[in-house]
Amino acid sequence: DGGITQSPKYLFRKEGQNVTLSCEQNLNHDAMYWYRQDPGQGLRLIYYSQIVNDFQKGDIAEGYSVSREKKESFPLTVTSAQKNPTAFYLCASSRIVRGENLFFGSGTQLSVL
Amino acid sequence: QQPVQSPQAVILREGEDAVINCSSSKALYSVHWYRQKHGEAPVFLMILLKGGEQKGHEKISASFNEKKQQSSLYLTASQLSYSGTYFCGTEERAGGTSYGKLTFGQGTILTVHP
Repeated sequence: DGGITQSPKYLFRKEGQNVTLSCEQNLNHDAMYWYRQDPGQGLRLIYYSQIVNDFQKGDIAEGYSVSREKKESFPLTVTSAQKNPTAFYLCASSRIVRGENLFFGSGTQLSVL
Repeated sequence: QQPVQSPQAVILREGEDAVINCSSSKALYSVHWYRQKHGEAPVFLMILLKGGEQKGHEKISASFNEKKQQSSLYLTASQLSYSGTYFCGTEERAGGTSYGKLTFGQGTILTVHP
């Protein structure tokens, strides 16, 4: 079955540590996205990519980094510069077509120890 | 700037109806609606496109006023399974790298009681 796989489901970060969230899709979608979700604030775009080896900052990119070395994979690194990383992180993908819906992964809950 | 949803929360009894609104200050190409259960992935409900086209589930109805950049989601004869947080996502008319890029509202929490 086609879909998006995020791992791990739960992740804990220590002070000063970088952590990487995994996102893999087998839908053959060109576009991939990372959203951060905080209670009462909806989903905010961190980074997105429409082609391998290229990506753009979203609305809240500070303290995060991404790579897109393969079409299927779009990992997100939460760096030590992100001072408030506790949130639910969602990865999504879509075709690059106007009015195309997003397919979401099941999310990763990141907490600070 | 994110779209504004109203109301922030709705409480219903089974069988009652509800309307959730989404308003944007940007010129929009499309409005998307998703429902999310706590701790789970958002699930696609419907897309409303500029020009009147709609794509989505047959049991869901929605409208898109292109002049006002407003959309409404209509939930009729609500069931317990309708409970969750509803998000609208807006896609701007500007082209280029904005294709497929959605900006989400803050969400509307819907609770349906027996």
